[in-house]
Amino acid sequence: NAGVTQTPKFQVLKTGQSMTLQCAQDMNHNSMYWYRQDPGMGLRLIYYSASEGTTDKGEVPNGYNVSRLNKREFSLRLESAAPSQTSVYFCASSEGRLNTEAFFGQGTRLTVV
Amino acid sequence: QKEVEQNSGPLSVPEGAIASLNCTYSDRGSQSFFWYRQYSGKSPELIMSIYSNGDKEDGRFTAQLNKASQYVSLLIRDSQPSDSATYLCAVNPSNYGGSQGNLIFGKGTKLSVKP
Repeated sequence: NAGVTQTPKFQVLKTGQSMTLQCAQDMNHNSMYWYRQDPGMGLRLIYYSASEGTTDKGEVPNGYNVSRLNKREFSLRLESAAPSQTSVYFCASSEGRLNTEAFFGQGTRLTVV
Repeated sequence: QKEVEQNSGPLSVPEGAIASLNCTYSDRGSQSFFWYRQYSGKSPELIMSIYSNGDKEDGRFTAQLNKASQYVSLLIRDSQPSDSATYLCAVNPSNYGGSQGNLIFGKGTKLSVKP
């Protein structure tokens, strides 16, 4: 059972380039999330999808867009990458949003130069 | 602003000792509480969840919750060098406001277990 799978694991972008981070879960979870983790800042929520067909902004949504493609897949897009978006990105999923456990993918280490 | 606070550490304990990790949260109506372990360069891994006041034990791990004091802790008995990691406290806040249901994470406590 793969759980939550993210691609790619590593990426280097030039300022202004665009890219999409892919995430898929095979646990039949309803809710999916994108976080970024920066030193000293902890995990911060970028966007979430409470259920298939819905997406909402989290704490730090600026510069990002998301798509909940179907129940399994939730992608994060950087339209014009900036050095401030250098971070480790984690996708997570949970059965629901309230009182349920979240499981994380292995992360994407993104560097914007 | 709902907050989760943890001592950043590092917390250093000798092998075989009890490691005690603490977390406080600001939202009195919070419903559920989780501890994640994160090894350097890896993703957070769920190790404990607790929903009601008191203790919950799972192997060498015990989670303790005191909602009146807005305090949750994690005890690791017989600490091993392999327990060396950053431990993240996460809280699911009360069911109001636009962000209801989304976990709020503390910044983590780095634990080092010395052989």
